[in-house]
Amino acid sequence: EVQLVESGGGLVQPGGSLRLSCAASGFTFSSYWMSWVRQAPGKGLEWVANIKQDGGEKNYVDSVNGRFTVSRDNAKNSLYLQMNSLRAEDTAVYYCARVFGPRHFEYWGQGTLVTVSS
Amino acid sequence: QSALTQPRSVSGSPGQSVTISCTGTISDVGGYNYVSWYQHHPGKAPKLMIYDVSKRPSGVPDRFSGSKSGNTASLTISGLQAEDEADYYCCSYAGSHSLLFGIGTKVTVL
Repeated sequence: EVQLVESGGGLVQPGGSLRLSCAASGFTFSSYWMSWVRQAPGKGLEWVANIKQDGGEKNYVDSVNGRFTVSRDNAKNSLYLQMNSLRAEDTAVYYCARVFGPRHFEYWGQGTLVTVSS
Repeated sequence: QSALTQPRSVSGSPGQSVTISCTGTISDVGGYNYVSWYQHHPGKAPKLMIYDVSKRPSGVPDRFSGSKSGNTASLTISGLQAEDEADYYCCSYAGSHSLLFGIGTKVTVL
C-alpha cells in the first residue's frame, strides 16, 4: 500500500524558515517524480514544486521560485521542502504527492499545516 | 499563470448527472492531453479520479468520466450518489514540467 506521511509543519514568523519532510513507503520511491502541492485556507489546490527521480531536475511555481527548495533522499525514501523567506500568503496545508509523468498526481499524503504569522 | 476556470458550485439530486467544466488555454488544457481530476473531501487527502483526459484509475467507479474539446475539459458524474459530495479540481500539464490546477468546484448532492 502506498503511504505518504508529511511532517514538519507549524507556526513560523514572516521571513522565517521551515523544512517539511515526506516519508514514502509501499513503492519504489526512486522510480517516481514527486511533488508538493498546497492549499491555502478557503482556497484551491496549487502545485508548488516537483523533482525528478534522481533529483536532477526541479521545477517550481513562480511564487516560490528562489525561496523554496525541493530535494529528495532516495536512500531514505524521503522528500523534502525547504521553505525560506516565508510570507503570510504561504500559509497552507502542504501535501506530498507521487507524480506520474509529471502529468498527474497518483497518490497524496494527508498534509501538514504551515502557518506564517507574527 | 492563472488557475484554470471552473464553476464554483454544481448540484444535483441522487441519480442525476452533473458536469463540471474546466477552461484553460492552448498553453495548458488545449495543448496537451494531460488533464486530470481530483476529488477532495475536506480534511482528507485528494483522490485521483481521472487522468489523461478520460482514463480512470483502478477502483474509480465508471460513473465518473472525462472528456475534452479545445481548451475546455469536462468531468461528468452520472448516477450521483451522496458520497460524491466533495470538492473537485481539474489539473493540466502546462509545459516545462509544471502543472496548473483549476479553482475547484463544490458538488452538492441535494
